[in-house]
Amino acid sequence: GNSVTQMEGPVTLSEEAFLTINCTYTATGYPSLFWYVQYPGEGLQLLLKATKADDKGSNKGFEATYRKETTSFHLEKGSVQVSDSAVYFCALPAGGTSYGKLTFGQGTILTVHP
Amino acid sequence: DAGVIQSPRHEVTEMGQEVTLRCKPISGHDYLFWYRQTMMRGLELLIYFNNNVPIDDSGMPEDRFSAKMPNASFSTLKIQPSEPRDSAVYFCASSFGTSGVYETDTQYFGPGTRLTVL
Repeated sequence: GNSVTQMEGPVTLSEEAFLTINCTYTATGYPSLFWYVQYPGEGLQLLLKATKADDKGSNKGFEATYRKETTSFHLEKGSVQVSDSAVYFCALPAGGTSYGKLTFGQGTILTVHP
Repeated sequence: DAGVIQSPRHEVTEMGQEVTLRCKPISGHDYLFWYRQTMMRGLELLIYFNNNVPIDDSGMPEDRFSAKMPNASFSTLKIQPSEPRDSAVYFCASSFGTSGVYETDTQYFGPGTRLTVL
Protein backbone atom coordinates (compact mmCIF):
# COMPACT_ATOMS: atom_id res chain seq x y z
CA GLY A 1 0.00 0.00 0.00
CA ASN A 2 0.86 3.68 -0.08
CA SER A 3 2.84 5.34 2.69
CA VAL A 4 3.76 8.81 3.86
CA THR A 5 6.70 10.17 5.82
CA GLN A 6 6.34 13.42 7.65
CA MET A 7 9.07 15.52 9.23
CA GLU A 8 9.42 14.99 12.90
CA GLY A 9 8.53 17.77 15.23
CA PRO A 10 7.78 19.59 17.27
CA VAL A 11 8.31 22.84 15.40
CA THR A 12 8.48 26.08 17.36
CA LEU A 13 8.41 29.43 15.57
CA SER A 14 7.95 33.09 16.33
CA GLU A 15 4.98 34.91 14.88
CA GLU A 16 5.50 36.01 11.23
CA ALA A 17 8.21 33.41 10.63
CA PHE A 18 8.23 31.19 7.52
CA LEU A 19 6.97 27.65 7.94
CA THR A 20 7.86 24.47 6.07
CA ILE A 21 6.70 21.02 7.11
CA ASN A 22 8.10 18.28 4.92
CA CYS A 23 6.05 15.38 3.61
CA THR A 24 7.19 12.68 1.19
CA TYR A 25 5.17 9.75 -0.04
CA THR A 26 5.42 6.36 -1.68
CA ALA A 27 2.51 5.42 -3.88
CA THR A 28 1.34 3.48 -6.86
CA GLY A 29 0.15 5.90 -9.46
CA TYR A 30 -0.71 9.50 -8.67
CA PRO A 31 -3.22 9.63 -5.84
CA SER A 32 -4.68 12.75 -4.28
CA LEU A 33 -2.63 14.24 -1.45
CA PHE A 34 -3.99 15.94 1.65
CA TRP A 35 -2.95 18.11 4.56
CA TYR A 36 -5.15 17.98 7.64
CA VAL A 37 -4.92 20.25 10.70
CA GLN A 38 -5.98 19.49 14.27
CA TYR A 39 -6.46 22.45 16.60
CA PRO A 40 -6.31 21.82 20.35
CA GLY A 41 -9.32 19.89 21.59
CA GLU A 42 -10.79 19.39 18.13
CA GLY A 43 -10.95 16.73 15.44
CA LEU A 44 -8.91 16.77 12.27
CA GLN A 45 -10.10 19.00 9.45
CA LEU A 46 -9.00 19.29 5.87
CA LEU A 47 -6.57 22.14 5.34
CA LEU A 48 -5.86 21.65 1.64
CA LYS A 49 -5.52 19.00 -1.02
CA ALA A 50 -4.13 18.44 -4.51
CA THR A 51 -5.49 15.88 -6.92
CA LYS A 52 -2.80 15.66 -9.61
CA ALA A 53 0.85 16.33 -10.27
CA ASP A 54 1.93 20.00 -10.20
CA ASP A 55 -1.35 21.02 -8.56
CA LYS A 56 -1.04 23.55 -5.77
CA GLY A 57 -3.46 23.32 -2.89
CA SER A 58 -3.98 26.44 -0.80
CA ASN A 59 -6.06 27.61 2.13
CA LYS A 60 -5.70 30.09 5.00
CA GLY A 61 -2.32 31.23 3.64
CA PHE A 62 -0.96 27.69 3.55
CA GLU A 63 0.24 26.14 0.31
CA ALA A 64 1.50 22.75 -0.85
CA THR A 65 2.53 21.65 -4.35
CA TYR A 66 2.19 18.08 -5.59
CA ARG A 67 5.70 17.20 -6.85
CA LYS A 68 5.77 13.79 -8.52
CA GLU A 69 9.47 14.02 -9.44
CA THR A 70 10.44 14.30 -5.78
CA THR A 71 7.33 12.50 -4.43
CA SER A 72 6.77 15.37 -2.03
CA PHE A 73 3.94 17.55 -0.78
CA HIS A 74 5.60 20.01 1.58
CA LEU A 75 3.39 22.44 3.52
CA GLU A 76 4.44 26.11 3.57
CA LYS A 77 3.22 29.39 4.96
CA GLY A 78 4.98 32.69 4.56
CA SER A 79 4.02 34.26 7.88
CA VAL A 80 2.62 32.15 10.70
CA GLN A 81 0.33 33.40 13.42
CA VAL A 82 -0.22 32.25 16.98
CA SER A 83 -3.57 30.87 15.85
CA ASP A 84 -1.76 28.43 13.52
CA SER A 85 -0.52 26.48 16.53
CA ALA A 86 -1.87 22.99 15.90
CA VAL A 87 -0.91 19.49 14.75
CA TYR A 88 -0.53 19.02 10.99
CA PHE A 89 -0.99 15.67 9.22
CA CYS A 90 -0.03 14.72 5.70
CA ALA A 91 -2.22 11.99 4.16
CA LEU A 92 -2.93 10.03 1.00
CA PRO A 93 -5.19 7.14 -0.03
CA ALA A 94 -4.02 3.85 1.43
CA GLY A 95 -3.95 2.18 -1.98
CA GLY A 96 -4.21 -1.50 -2.83
CA THR A 97 -7.73 -2.74 -2.16
CA SER A 98 -8.31 -0.29 0.71
CA TYR A 99 -10.89 1.83 -1.06
CA GLY A 100 -11.88 4.93 0.84
CA LYS A 101 -9.15 4.61 3.46
CA LEU A 102 -6.49 7.26 4.08
CA THR A 103 -2.95 6.73 5.39
CA PHE A 104 -1.84 9.53 7.72
CA GLY A 105 1.63 10.70 8.69
CA GLN A 106 2.52 10.79 12.35
CA GLY A 107 1.69 14.47 12.69
CA THR A 108 3.85 17.54 13.30
CA ILE A 109 3.17 19.74 16.30
CA LEU A 110 3.54 23.43 15.50
CA THR A 111 3.77 26.03 18.25
CA VAL A 112 3.88 29.70 17.34
CA HIS A 113 4.96 32.23 19.97
CA PRO A 114 4.00 35.93 19.93
CA ASP B 1 -24.99 20.35 7.61
CA ALA B 2 -24.25 19.74 11.28
CA GLY B 3 -21.13 17.75 10.51
CA VAL B 4 -20.19 14.49 12.15
CA ILE B 5 -21.79 14.23 15.58
CA GLN B 6 -20.27 12.21 18.39
CA SER B 7 -21.55 11.50 21.85
CA PRO B 8 -20.69 11.70 24.60
CA ARG B 9 -17.90 14.29 24.35
CA HIS B 10 -16.35 13.11 27.58
CA GLU B 11 -16.67 9.80 29.35
CA VAL B 12 -15.15 8.80 32.64
CA THR B 13 -15.66 5.24 33.76
CA GLU B 14 -14.14 2.61 35.98
CA MET B 15 -12.17 -0.36 34.83
CA GLY B 16 -14.39 -3.26 33.89
CA GLN B 17 -17.37 -1.17 32.88
CA GLU B 18 -18.93 -1.22 29.43
CA VAL B 19 -18.47 1.92 27.34
CA THR B 20 -20.48 2.83 24.25
CA LEU B 21 -19.46 5.63 21.95
CA ARG B 22 -21.87 6.94 19.35
CA CYS B 23 -21.50 8.56 15.96
CA LYS B 24 -23.83 10.14 13.44
CA PRO B 25 -22.10 10.63 10.08
CA ILE B 26 -22.81 13.37 7.59
CA SER B 27 -25.95 12.58 5.64
CA GLY B 28 -25.19 10.98 2.28
CA HIS B 29 -21.72 9.80 3.20
CA ASP B 30 -21.17 6.09 2.57
CA TYR B 31 -17.91 5.57 4.47
CA LEU B 32 -17.56 5.71 8.24
CA PHE B 33 -14.30 5.44 10.16
CA TRP B 34 -13.43 4.97 13.83
CA TYR B 35 -10.02 6.24 14.98
CA ARG B 36 -8.24 6.33 18.30
CA GLN B 37 -5.66 8.95 19.23
CA THR B 38 -3.14 8.83 22.06
CA MET B 39 0.12 10.61 22.72
CA MET B 40 2.03 7.35 22.65
CA ARG B 41 0.54 5.74 19.54
CA GLY B 42 -0.73 8.74 17.59
CA LEU B 43 -3.76 8.37 15.33
CA GLU B 44 -4.85 4.78 14.69
CA LEU B 45 -7.62 3.53 12.42
CA LEU B 46 -9.68 0.96 14.31
CA ILE B 47 -12.34 -0.03 11.80
CA TYR B 48 -14.20 1.36 8.83
CA PHE B 49 -17.49 0.72 7.10
CA ASN B 50 -18.77 1.15 3.58
CA ASN B 51 -22.53 1.23 3.11
CA ASN B 52 -22.94 0.00 6.70
CA VAL B 53 -20.75 -3.07 6.10
CA PRO B 54 -17.44 -3.43 7.99
CA ILE B 55 -14.61 -3.43 5.46
CA ASP B 56 -11.50 -3.61 7.59
CA ASP B 57 -11.38 -4.21 11.34
CA SER B 58 -7.70 -5.11 11.51
CA GLY B 59 -7.05 -2.10 13.72
CA MET B 60 -9.39 -3.21 16.48
CA PRO B 61 -7.10 -3.92 19.43
CA GLU B 62 -8.78 -7.03 20.74
CA ASP B 63 -12.09 -8.77 21.28
CA ARG B 64 -13.08 -6.27 23.94
CA PHE B 65 -13.75 -3.80 21.12
CA SER B 66 -16.72 -4.09 18.79
CA ALA B 67 -18.36 -1.73 16.33
CA LYS B 68 -21.68 -1.74 14.58
CA MET B 69 -23.44 0.32 11.97
CA PRO B 70 -27.11 -0.68 11.97
CA ASN B 71 -28.06 2.01 9.45
CA ALA B 72 -26.54 4.77 7.36
CA SER B 73 -26.98 7.41 10.05
CA PHE B 74 -25.67 5.73 13.18
CA SER B 75 -22.68 3.76 14.42
CA THR B 76 -21.45 2.60 17.81
CA LEU B 77 -18.08 1.59 19.18
CA LYS B 78 -18.30 -0.52 22.29
CA ILE B 79 -15.61 -1.51 24.76
CA GLN B 80 -16.45 -4.29 27.17
CA PRO B 81 -14.82 -4.59 29.64
CA SER B 82 -12.90 -1.31 29.60
CA GLU B 83 -9.32 -1.03 30.85
CA PRO B 84 -7.17 1.98 31.78
CA ARG B 85 -5.07 1.52 28.63
CA ASP B 86 -8.19 2.25 26.56
CA SER B 87 -8.05 5.87 27.73
CA ALA B 88 -7.77 7.97 24.57
CA VAL B 89 -9.68 10.30 22.29
CA TYR B 90 -11.90 8.38 19.89
CA PHE B 91 -12.82 10.03 16.60
CA CYS B 92 -15.47 9.15 14.12
CA ALA B 93 -15.12 10.36 10.53
CA SER B 94 -17.18 10.00 7.39
CA SER B 95 -16.64 10.52 3.70
CA PHE B 96 -18.33 10.20 0.37
CA GLY B 97 -16.51 7.41 -1.42
CA THR B 98 -15.59 7.45 -5.05
CA SER B 99 -14.74 4.53 -7.25
CA GLY B 100 -11.20 3.49 -7.91
CA VAL B 101 -8.09 3.22 -5.83
CA TYR B 102 -6.63 6.64 -6.54
CA GLU B 103 -9.55 8.87 -5.73
CA THR B 104 -10.55 9.20 -2.12
CA ASP B 105 -12.74 12.02 -0.97
CA THR B 106 -12.15 14.17 2.06
CA GLN B 107 -12.82 12.60 5.44
CA TYR B 108 -14.79 14.79 7.86
CA PHE B 109 -14.00 14.23 11.49
CA GLY B 110 -16.21 14.63 14.51
CA PRO B 111 -15.07 16.47 17.64
CA GLY B 112 -14.11 13.25 19.37
CA THR B 113 -14.96 11.49 22.62
CA ARG B 114 -12.37 11.76 25.36
CA LEU B 115 -12.48 8.48 27.28
CA THR B 116 -10.87 8.10 30.68
CA VAL B 117 -10.88 4.68 32.29
CA LEU B 118 -9.91 4.74 35.95
